[in-house]
Amino acid sequence: AQKITQTQPGMFVQEKEAVTLDCTYDTSDPSYGLFWYKQPSSGEMIFLIYQGSYDQQNATEGRYSLNFQKARKSANLVISASQLGDSAMYFCAMRELRGQNFVFGPGTRLSVLP
Amino acid sequence: GAVVSQHPSWVICKSGTSVKIECRSLDFQATTMFWYRQFPKQSLMLMATSNEGSKATYEQGVEKDKFLINHASLTLSTLTVTSAHPEDSSFYICSARAYLTGGADTQYFGPGTRLTVL
Repeated sequence: AQKITQTQPGMFVQEKEAVTLDCTYDTSDPSYGLFWYKQPSSGEMIFLIYQGSYDQQNATEGRYSLNFQKARKSANLVISASQLGDSAMYFCAMRELRGQNFVFGPGTRLSVLP
Repeated sequence: GAVVSQHPSWVICKSGTSVKIECRSLDFQATTMFWYRQFPKQSLMLMATSNEGSKATYEQGVEKDKFLINHASLTLSTLTVTSAHPEDSSFYICSARAYLTGGADTQYFGPGTRLTVL
C-alpha cells in the first residue's frame, strides 16, 4: 500500500507568491516523523523541514512551514515568497518509529515563474 | 547542516567492470548510512541500509552479490557495483543518519553518482 501520497505531479507558482505542496501519509504507528526534501536539477537531496508526530506546533524553517493535520494524516509544505531558485522536485518522506528507513513519496515538480 | 560527500559524481564504464562509489560524512559520524537508486523522473528507491561494523541490510529484490556494501568506519560507506551491465545505469544516492536538535533523526544526502554502463 502507498504510504506517502503526493497528488500533484507538477505545480506552477508565480515568483514572490506562496505555494502549498500536498502530502498525505498512511501509518498505524503512533510515533513517526515527517520530512520534506528538495531535489534541484543537480540531483542532490536537500533536507528542508521535519515534523514529529507528537509535535504540538507546526514546524517552520525560514520560508518553509509544514501544515500538519494529524487527524487527516496530511503534512503539506508551504513555501512563502517563492523564488526562482525554488524550482525543483520536492519529496515528502516518513519514518515510522518501528523502522529506521524512510519512505518517500513520488514527488512534486515545482516551477517558479518570473 | 551535516555534509555528506559522494565520489565520483559521475562514472562511465564498460559492461562487465566493477565500479566503487564512496559516501562520506564530512563533519559528523554516521553509524547508519543508506543507499538509494533513482530512475529518471521517479522517486528514490532504497537499496540497502549500511550499519558500521556489521553487514548491510538489503531491500527485497536487491542482489547482495551485485551491490556490495561496506561500512568500514563511522564516516565512510562504499557501494561496489560488480560486473556492471547497462541496466545498472542509474543515479545512486547515499545518505547518512544524523540527529537534529531535540533528538529526532533525519537523513542528509550526498550529491549522488550518475553511473552509465556502456
